[in-house]
Amino acid sequence: AQTVTQSQPEMSVQEAETVTLSCTYDTSESDYYLFWYKQPPSRQMILVIRQEAYKQQNATENRFSVNFQKAAKSFSLKISDSQLGDAAMYFCAYIPNTGNQFYFGTGTSLTVIP
Amino acid sequence: GAGVSQSPSNKVTEKGKDVELRCDPISGHTALYWYRQSLGQGLEFLIYFQGNSAPDKSGLPSDRFSAERTGGSVSTLTIQRTQQEDSAVYLCASSLVRGRTPEAFFGQGTRLTVV
Repeated sequence: AQTVTQSQPEMSVQEAETVTLSCTYDTSESDYYLFWYKQPPSRQMILVIRQEAYKQQNATENRFSVNFQKAAKSFSLKISDSQLGDAAMYFCAYIPNTGNQFYFGTGTSLTVIP
Repeated sequence: GAGVSQSPSNKVTEKGKDVELRCDPISGHTALYWYRQSLGQGLEFLIYFQGNSAPDKSGLPSDRFSAERTGGSVSTLTIQRTQQEDSAVYLCASSLVRGRTPEAFFGQGTRLTVV
């Protein structure tokens, strides 16, 4: 079974501080892709960051970075210098290279405290 | 278009009526996905279209649900004889062909309320 688990339903962070959101996944595939999506109250799912499983280097996008541990099947998201606009639901997602669907976790609701 | 467009944005329907939800993907994207997001829940896969291949309908929850994609572009998700448990946000996404990182671009969704 291919599953994605986000064990933190809710997280909070002080503005300008750093927060890490956890994600683990279960797969027997060796070639796949991982993503973090952000969903603000507007409902629009926005891609935050992507990681190809064949790349050992962790992806970074400005204040967002990941810690990709392939052997442990872990894919955490670190948000540095948190801003009020980062408040949203964050979803971890996985798709195998030959797959027909993205598998999503249940999401982590992030609150940014001014 | 510039992004994935879904219509209507909101739909309220009476139990037992049929509804059609529309998705207009990004031009050139051959892959199209439908997902359902119930209140406070994650995303549930419904159906996947890739080019001219037969769609993967494995996520459709019942035979009341169907979808088509015309001309490899616009897709319509139809729910017949709607039930209250069908109330949810229906999200559509599209992506480029296999061989590239299959990043999914999402529309803003259709919020369906069955009363």
